Amino acid sequence: QVQLQESGPGLVKPSGTLSLTCAVSGDSISTDNWWSWVRQSPGKGLEWIGEISYNGVTKYKSSLKNRVTISMDKSKNHFSLTLNSVTAADTAVYFCVRVLTDFQGFPNWGQGTLVTVSS
Amino acid sequence: QTVVTQEPSLTVSPGGTVTLTCASSTGAITSGLHPNWFQQKPGQPPRALIHHIDNRHSWTPPRFSGSLLGGKAVLTLSGAQPEDEAEYYCLLYYGDAWVFGGGTRLTVL
Repeated sequence: QVQLQESGPGLVKPSGTLSLTCAVSGDSISTDNWWSWVRQSPGKGLEWIGEISYNGVTKYKSSLKNRVTISMDKSKNHFSLTLNSVTAADTAVYFCVRVLTDFQGFPNWGQGTLVTVSS
Repeated sequence: QTVVTQEPSLTVSPGGTVTLTCASSTGAITSGLHPNWFQQKPGQPPRALIHHIDNRHSWTPPRFSGSLLGGKAVLTLSGAQPEDEAEYYCLLYYGDAWVFGGGTRLTVL
């Protein structure tokens, strides 16, 4: 059973850096899948942020590309999200997601973690 | 920027059938956009229902089905149950990025 768990600070100051980690169990991030981040602002819809492949290829939402980095640590079997220069608009629940290769879907989601941007 | 449009809200009677649609600002949705559908209930992460147009996940009840119709991706719920009341999102792939629709709030009443 694949499980994902987000962790990181729940409060970030404006202009600061948001950093989250997703710990994966039940699967190796080195297997042929993608690993994604999705966020949801309070009361709003889902927003795809980006993803990283098992071999380190990254894709990002174009409007966030200048501020976001997704990376992976295979030794710890986790992947991470870094978002720079945050504003209140980045306040959201952040989900990490396992994405199966060959467009086989987004079957596994973490429970999500709320990050608030506030001074 | 690409916009994916869904009905903001729909209502279905228990046991009834409802169709949720997903449209792309770039034109007709084809298999190459690999439509996915998700269900989300308050306080929970999204749950994947359908991938690549019409493929159910192992946990997806058979009353949910996906298709392409009239240039849109479609999620059909046949025989709605009270527990199907939720927000539903479609997700499309545009070559190097995924884009979610705005979501449809489905009420079973």
